[in-house]
Amino acid sequence: AQRVTQPEKLLSVFKGAPVELKCNYSYSGSPELFWYVQYSRQRLQLLLRHISRESIKGFTADLNKGETSFHLKKPFAQEEDSAMYYCALRARAGSNYKLTFGKGTLLTVNP
Amino acid sequence: NAGVTQTPKFRILKIGQSMTLQCTQDMNHNYMYWYRQDPGMGLKLIYYSVGAGITDKGEVPNGYNVSRSTTEDFPLRLELAAPSQTSVYFCASSYPTGGTYHGNQPQHFGDGTRLSIL
Repeated sequence: AQRVTQPEKLLSVFKGAPVELKCNYSYSGSPELFWYVQYSRQRLQLLLRHISRESIKGFTADLNKGETSFHLKKPFAQEEDSAMYYCALRARAGSNYKLTFGKGTLLTVNP
Repeated sequence: NAGVTQTPKFRILKIGQSMTLQCTQDMNHNYMYWYRQDPGMGLKLIYYSVGAGITDKGEVPNGYNVSRSTTEDFPLRLELAAPSQTSVYFCASSYPTGGTYHGNQPQHFGDGTRLSIL
């Protein structure tokens, strides 16, 4: 069975500082990894996915299969980045299309 | 497109009451999901559906039922509400890239229903 671990429940940084939200996963096959974000009073929305290798709102995430990690990084945090961030894994095996979410990390960017 | 719409936004139930959480999407997505979000626990999958007439259990299905009579609607029913079902419920939908695998297609979420059972 797959598992996603986000070791930090809370993360607080100052504006302009680098930020890294950690995500580790456990899965024997080849996973699809996502980061979802939930801003205050808004719905959960996709931030980025590893397969796209994209940078969204200055955030990047690299899948490291050796370390089974998919950490989310941004070199200079902004106040508007304050939100709840969820790492999610979709197992890539046959018709398995369910997402497994981590418990989330609440990021606060202080002025 | 409205995307995924959930009603109601808030509800308070008494123990033992029943209710249906509504979810509808206008994106013609085949796949729909119900999650519950408990504080500090992330999202857990309750039920999901791969198309009209097909549903299956997720991680935490006990105490819930679903149906999928149309592509658009995926209601979640609580038959006998219990305090342990106090949570925020999210409905989501997604569309396969092709064939039966839709690995990198994102799920689109509704605004959620905040349910309290007292």
